[in-house]
Amino acid sequence: NAGVTQTPKFRILKIGQSMTLQCTQDMNHNYMYWYRQDPGMGLKLIYYSVGAGITDKGEVPNGYNVSRSTTEDFPLRLELAAPSQTSVYFCASSYADGLSYEQYFGPGTRLTVT
Amino acid sequence: KNEVEQSPQNLTAQEGEFITINCSYSVGISALHWLQQHPGGGIVSLFMLSSGKKKHGRLIATINIQEKHSSLHITASHPRDSAVYICAVVTGDKLIFGTGTRLQVFP
Repeated sequence: NAGVTQTPKFRILKIGQSMTLQCTQDMNHNYMYWYRQDPGMGLKLIYYSVGAGITDKGEVPNGYNVSRSTTEDFPLRLELAAPSQTSVYFCASSYADGLSYEQYFGPGTRLTVT
Repeated sequence: KNEVEQSPQNLTAQEGEFITINCSYSVGISALHWLQQHPGGGIVSLFMLSSGKKKHGRLIATINIQEKHSSLHITASHPRDSAVYICAVVTGDKLIFGTGTRLQVFP
C-alpha cells in the first residue's frame, strides 16, 4: 500500500493564481483531512470529509475549497492565492473518526505564494 | 495562552540518554495523541491514549487526566529518534495540536 500520497511536493504560486493540491489514499479510509502547518504553530484543520460526497469546514477554511467524489481522492483547491497561504499542507486519512483513531499523514506539500 | 503547551521547545541529548517531553493542556479532553514529525516533514502517529500508560518499543506515553498533563518518554535514545514530537488533544469534536518539541540526539 502506498498509504496517503500528495502532489506536488513543492510549488511556488504568484498572488492571485489558483491551484489544486492532490491527495489520494489507498487504505479505503472514510475520513480524510487537510491541515496546514505554519512555522512555530500547531497543525490547523482546513477541511475534512467523513465519506464520499460529504465535506465540512475545519478551523481555517477561508480561501480554500474541497471536494470528495471518491473514497480515495480529496483534492484541496486554492483560489486567488495570497501570501497568507504560504504554508506546508498535509493531507491525512483515518479508518474512522480521526479523533479516536490513528490518522495517517501524507508527506506534505510546501507552498509558497509570492 | 495556547490550549496545548509542550515543553521543552527544543531538546538535545546524547545517544543513550532517557528523554522526557511534556504536554500540558487547559481544556477538558477525551483523548490525547502523540505524533512524530521526521526531519523530512513526514508525520507518523505514535500513540493515542485516554488514561494511564502505553508502551511501544522504547517509547512510553503517560497521561494524568486530573493534572491535565501527558509525558512522552524515550528510553536509550538514538540519533534516529531526532524529530519533532507533537502532542494533540481531543476536545469535543476538535483536535488541537501543540507546536511540537524538537529533539536532537547526538552520537
